[in-house]
Amino acid sequence: SAVISQKPSRDICQRGTSLTIQCQVDSQVTMMFWYRQQPGQSLTLIATANQGSEATYESGFVIDKFPISRPNLTFSTLTVSNMSPEDSSIYLCSVTSGRRNEQFFGPGTRLTVL
Amino acid sequence: GQSLEQPSEVTAVEGAIVQINCTYQTSGFYGLSWYQQHDGGAPTFLSYNALDGLEETGRFSSFLSRSDSYGYLLLQELQMKDSASYFCAVEGQGFSFIFGKGTRLLVKP
Repeated sequence: SAVISQKPSRDICQRGTSLTIQCQVDSQVTMMFWYRQQPGQSLTLIATANQGSEATYESGFVIDKFPISRPNLTFSTLTVSNMSPEDSSIYLCSVTSGRRNEQFFGPGTRLTVL
Repeated sequence: GQSLEQPSEVTAVEGAIVQINCTYQTSGFYGLSWYQQHDGGAPTFLSYNALDGLEETGRFSSFLSRSDSYGYLLLQELQMKDSASYFCAVEGQGFSFIFGKGTRLLVKP
């Protein structure tokens, strides 16, 4: 298993600003994932972040809006840029174990945009 | 397109057995997973099926039929703490994970 921490745990931001969310893992992992989850809704994959390469974004998500950094094997950041109220959501990072499809999730960052 | 379908809500009584179904349509398939998420918490991994058949982990079992694009999660001896949302998830091509919309399970005394 992996222990994942995220910062901040929650934030309230003004529209038009940007927020960077940090994800720290207690072990080295190849792939990290960023998800968005509206309260009471499903998880939607934003992008996959591999160390040393550009993140791979899912349909509907673009790098200009959600730039991701992956400087090493234990850390990643997701920036939500030029925020609008529609970006209000919970943002989660996750990593996989050695077995496909087994993911460990961070506690999430609850973002409210006013 | 890619999609997963699961019931939105299920209610059961303590000690009972409940089955949560999941049907999927994806381009490329590596396996079906199940996650539990309590209100305000992060999803936690429950089980994974890559091959047809039943996988048992304590009170929880999961089943997969690849030919039917269908799976289910079976929860036995329900406890109040099992009240949570349950998500099925498949991995499509290129580590593209897709989650169902979740089934909210309410366990009543």
